[in-house]
Amino acid sequence: EPEVTQTPSHQVTQMGQEVILRCVPISNHLYFYWYRQILGQKVEFLVSFYNNEISEKSEIFDDQFSVERPDGSNFTLKIRSTKLEDSAMYFCASEEDRALEKLFFGSGTQLSVL
Amino acid sequence: GNSVTQMEGPVTLSEEAFLTINCTYTATGYPSLFWYVQYPGEGLQLLLKATKADDKGSNKGFEATYRKETTSFHLEKGSVQVSDSAVYFCALSSRTDSWGKLQFGAGTQVVVTP
Repeated sequence: EPEVTQTPSHQVTQMGQEVILRCVPISNHLYFYWYRQILGQKVEFLVSFYNNEISEKSEIFDDQFSVERPDGSNFTLKIRSTKLEDSAMYFCASEEDRALEKLFFGSGTQLSVL
Repeated sequence: GNSVTQMEGPVTLSEEAFLTINCTYTATGYPSLFWYVQYPGEGLQLLLKATKADDKGSNKGFEATYRKETTSFHLEKGSVQVSDSAVYFCALSSRTDSWGKLQFGAGTQVVVTP
């Protein structure tokens, strides 16, 4: 079965550094998402992306965050200057058709900011 | 705003026991309701969903019924197996708000022992 692939599985970075989390969505999917889960908290929505632009973003998704689909296959989340509170598991998800209401999630990137 | 509350875990059961995980929600309008499951080391997978009141979602022996009168979507399975050990997430999507933006409960870890 096709799957969403995320790399790396673990990323350790120093506070203030830029980090890029990478995702390869399922090839025929059109809608893309990033979610995150801080340890002990709920999985929370960050951003949705369709037709090469952001559809919606949460309050968490401030100017330090950006997303890009640079080459038609990858979907990236960039954090410009990481903070300690950005430490979390980040999940990428993709969806073929919004009417199906079925998101496919990757296994996540555990980001640790020191 | 919209929210999902589910019972805390971990829930520890013996094989072949009956499983119930309670989930209640708060939402405006008529949300879609979901159960996602996360097996160790994997991403979240859609287990089942229901899109309107009194709908029953079912998959792999699991069932949940959309109860608008009690704003609930409890997950049940009649006879669990060791392979059902996972974290289960209740979620909703409010199509009057935005597509693809899921609100998750905190997740319930289920441990099934032989």
